[in-house]
Amino acid sequence: DVKVTQSSRYLVKRTGEKVFLECVQDMDHENMFWYRQDPGLGLRLIYFSYDVKMKEKGDIPEGYSVSREKKERFSLILESASTNQTSMYLCASSLKYGYTFGSGTRLTVV
Amino acid sequence: QKEVEQDPGPLSVPEGAIVSLNCTYSNSAFQYFMWYRQYSRKGPELLMYTYSSGNKEDGRFTAQVDKSSKYISLFIRDSQPSDSATYLCAISPTGGGNKLTFGTGTQLKVEL
Repeated sequence: DVKVTQSSRYLVKRTGEKVFLECVQDMDHENMFWYRQDPGLGLRLIYFSYDVKMKEKGDIPEGYSVSREKKERFSLILESASTNQTSMYLCASSLKYGYTFGSGTRLTVV
Repeated sequence: QKEVEQDPGPLSVPEGAIVSLNCTYSNSAFQYFMWYRQYSRKGPELLMYTYSSGNKEDGRFTAQVDKSSKYISLFIRDSQPSDSATYLCAISPTGGGNKLTFGTGTQLKVEL
């Protein structure tokens, strides 16, 4: 089974901190994605990557950046965390037929 | 107008009922249609994957796509308490492995 591992299940960070969310997949998938999930808003795409060192903006990239130095790892960076970035963050990887998601990181910014 | 609309529920049904979950979409370019199931405090998992119009069956689950109406459905037969979860539809113009647009999800509870 494909496994997508997100480094933390729960994180609490202070406003203004730089936050790193790590995601690793173990099945050599080309595509990786970062979404945030909020009640009533569903899943919204932040950034995605179709190859190493490649990144594309999703629908809500403001306040975020990403890094993909290795095929298996896709990192989401909150440059200066703000309270409106409190959310569930989901990483996913894919080849052709749908995504495999990680278990999510619930981030609270205080 | 949102690209994909989904009734958030919650939907509560008795065990054994047939459940119908639905999404509508606005862009006829979408060709690939998926349903994901998400249990509480977990990531979504792929349940059904279909391409173009028609039906696809997998056990108690049937996915239906009507491209002329831009309407997709997921039917669950003989629903079980273990089916209690949030169900998300997802659509893509270029393939299931590429950028997906998700519905907001319908919360389903199957009661004993």
